[in-house]
Amino acid sequence: DARVTQTPRHKVTEMGQEVTMRCQPILGHNTVFWYRQTMMQGLELLAYFRNRAPLDDSGMPKDRFSAEMPDATLATLKIQPSEPRDSAVYFCASGLGTGGKLFFGSGTQLSVL
Amino acid sequence: GENVEQHPSTLSVQEGDSAVIKCTYSDSASNYFPWYKQELGKRPQLIIDIRSNVGEKKDQRIAVTLNKTAKHFSLHITETQPEDSAVYFCAASEGNEKLTFGTGTRLTIIP
Repeated sequence: DARVTQTPRHKVTEMGQEVTMRCQPILGHNTVFWYRQTMMQGLELLAYFRNRAPLDDSGMPKDRFSAEMPDATLATLKIQPSEPRDSAVYFCASGLGTGGKLFFGSGTQLSVL
Repeated sequence: GENVEQHPSTLSVQEGDSAVIKCTYSDSASNYFPWYKQELGKRPQLIIDIRSNVGEKKDQRIAVTLNKTAKHFSLHITETQPEDSAVYFCAASEGNEKLTFGTGTRLTIIP
């Protein structure tokens, strides 16, 4: 049963520290999305890639967030410097461009103290 | 861009009764409408989806209806069971573009 894999599952860090979250999409999927989930904002799209090219990162605070896909098996989301308001669950999801169905990873629960 | 509104935000129904969750969307070009179920502490999982060339789709106890003219779609769960308790999200997208999610409905099934 193919799954999207995210690491770490949990991260506690102090304000100002760098945080890197990683995602391995399902093999063969060509679209990768990063969503942030909070109680107040629901599921917010931060960035997405198709065939490793960034298509839209308008939902991401550019001054501190960056998203990359160094290869087809790895997507990263980086926060530098982290702030308490970044505390949330960050989900990665992958899909096949023509189908629209998204498959979510288990998420990274981030707490910034 | 697309805007998806979802109602109600919370819903409680007696076990065995039906539950209905409604969503509206703004972009008439959207043509793909999935529903995701998220149990506490878990990932969102796709439970059913519909494309704009059909008006209704059923899968056992769940069904989705779509009214393209009015730009709204609904999730129907019949004969609800305790395991249906979760947060449900609707979403909309244009083909293979990004999904825009509704704000979620917390469904509670009362035994």
